[in-house]
Amino acid sequence: DQQVKQNSPSLSVQEGRISILNCDYTNSMFDYFLWYKKYPAEGPTFLISISSIKDKNEDGRFTVFLNKSAKHLSLHIVPSQPGDSAVYFCAASDTGNTDKLIFGTGTRLQVFP
Amino acid sequence: NAGVTQTPKFRILKIGQSMTLQCTQDMNHNYMYWYRQDPGMGLKLIYYSVGAGITDKGEVPNGYNVSRSTTEDFPLRLELAAPSQTSVYFCASSPTRSNNSPLHFGNGTRLTVT
Repeated sequence: DQQVKQNSPSLSVQEGRISILNCDYTNSMFDYFLWYKKYPAEGPTFLISISSIKDKNEDGRFTVFLNKSAKHLSLHIVPSQPGDSAVYFCAASDTGNTDKLIFGTGTRLQVFP
Repeated sequence: NAGVTQTPKFRILKIGQSMTLQCTQDMNHNYMYWYRQDPGMGLKLIYYSVGAGITDKGEVPNGYNVSRSTTEDFPLRLELAAPSQTSVYFCASSPTRSNNSPLHFGNGTRLTVT
């Protein structure tokens, strides 16, 4: 039972445009959400996070939106750059502890010139 | 500034062989984790440790063992390799257990069991 779902395995966006990566979850007890970015042959690196008490968190070109009623979050990248090409993982937790993080399956983003 | 270092990068094992995946971190983090990532799947937690001498099972611990004798090192042991253990293994660390302290990952070990 996949509690965190990223239904789009891949996404292709032109440089300069907006990239929107989506993530759905089933556990209403999840209260903290993170996005990790992964380049080939490297480990994931933390990108941005959001607590369930917020509906938006912004860090430079990256913004995460949380819709608790829909159990949905999205990552917006504006403007997209070729260096953003990577796999993006959504993760969620319901205990506040890192040992209970549940990861999604990832979305591969390709930003082309 | 090495961060989390995993060795080896690649390994091919025959069914029934054993091996140890090494993980070391130089950030003095108390919390360490082992994840596996299968193709098309998210990362799944195998084992974790909250400090030297303390380990606990994650979501998929069967077929693996760990030890934590020092703060720096957290090796993962496969005793009888099976094809189902073919995966990419990631070690990670964090300074606290809170989600406010994101995980720092190593670059992974790609293991194939044939």
